[in-house]
Amino acid sequence: GQQVMQIPQYQHVQEGEDFTTYCNSSTTLSNIQWYKQRPGGHPVFLIQLVKSGEVKKQKRLTFQFGEAKKNSSLHITATQTTDVGTYFCCNTNAGKSTFGDGTTLTVKP
Amino acid sequence: DSGVTQTPKHLITATGQRVTLRCSPRSGDLSVYWYQQSLDQGLQFLIQYYNGEERAKGNILERFSAQQFPDLHSELNLSSLELGDSALYFCASSVGTSGGEFFGPGTRLTVL
Repeated sequence: GQQVMQIPQYQHVQEGEDFTTYCNSSTTLSNIQWYKQRPGGHPVFLIQLVKSGEVKKQKRLTFQFGEAKKNSSLHITATQTTDVGTYFCCNTNAGKSTFGDGTTLTVKP
Repeated sequence: DSGVTQTPKHLITATGQRVTLRCSPRSGDLSVYWYQQSLDQGLQFLIQYYNGEERAKGNILERFSAQQFPDLHSELNLSSLELGDSALYFCASSVGTSGGEFFGPGTRLTVL
């Protein structure tokens, strides 16, 4: 996989606020996957994006792949306490997967 | 529950020892991946097997080896263990060779 930089590293929000994590690469990516890992748990696959400018939604989660396929974002609307965890982006290239360092989200009730 | 099983759940051993971690993929999945997750290194891709053949290799140390058997289960062998090998080891599986991966619960290895 190719290097993917993820920001921010941590995000603390009040319940009900929105949250966004960003994933950036210096090179064009063929795909981006997003995963969520709850504290003490394992990564759970959320979605894969492959097309330029692609936008996908899962309930309160919106995933975007940039037009140049060099960046991606995950946006959560009106966070809930169940959204806590670490969100990772990942690129797979020739069978090798490269994960970003993740954004850890905490939600204050 | 992802359908991927890993054993054992916890493993405590001493430096210099050798251990074997086992993974059974989801039913129907042909690809198996191994990852190491530590606090300072994040999720590191180690190796991928597809239908019994090694397909991709990441930052896997020479002291580590893996294989995928005809029944598609996989084993990760870690030898000459060092303190720095202490980490969570995840196995994941997928139907094909790319796309979303389904992770097992992990094996927590502690090297004393």
